[in-house]
Amino acid sequence: TQLLEQSPQFLSIQEGENLTVYCNSSSVFSSLQWYRQEPGEGPVLLVTVVTGGEVKKLKRLTFQFGDARKDSSLHITAAQPGDTGLYLCAGAGATNKLIFGTGTLLAVQP
Amino acid sequence: DAGITQSPRYKITETGRQVTLMCHQTWSHSYMFWYRQDLGHGLRLIYYSAAADITDKGEVPDGYVVSRSKTENFPLTLESATRSQTSVYFCASTPGTGGQPQHFGDGTRLSIL
Repeated sequence: TQLLEQSPQFLSIQEGENLTVYCNSSSVFSSLQWYRQEPGEGPVLLVTVVTGGEVKKLKRLTFQFGDARKDSSLHITAAQPGDTGLYLCAGAGATNKLIFGTGTLLAVQP
Repeated sequence: DAGITQSPRYKITETGRQVTLMCHQTWSHSYMFWYRQDLGHGLRLIYYSAAADITDKGEVPDGYVVSRSKTENFPLTLESATRSQTSVYFCASTPGTGGQPQHFGDGTRLSIL
């Protein structure tokens, strides 16, 4: 069974701080997606990384796919209260199904 | 407007009752999925469908039934609800293969007393 572990589970920081969320697995994925979920809503895709070692930037968010395509990280620079939410990584394998990580709940205090 | 809609948004029922959660998408996506979201477990796949009349089990299918007679609809039925099925349920769709992003509805919060 493929598993994706995210760390930390919870993170509460002050506005302006930097943070990194990790997504780790012992399995290889063909691609990895990051979603953000706000209260009362479904997850919304932020980015997809496909190539080992790939780095993608989305404004203050930087996503990296591990060289072996088993892990990924999300780095947020100068966090804002609007970044508050649940961050989910999801790995895609040979099938159309996604394996979701356990999630990281981020709270950015003003 | 195009999108994926779930109904109802909230539902309270009793153990042993049958309850059906509805999911409708307007994109004509081939693939549709049902997940449950519980604290500490993330999103777990219940059932998915590759096309009309084609469904398959996910990670946690026990106690659930699905059907897909039309491409745009993918209802999820709890035949005899149990307290352990109290959860938030999300429906999602995607156009095809290759790890394409999934588009989620806003969820149904189901409480079983």
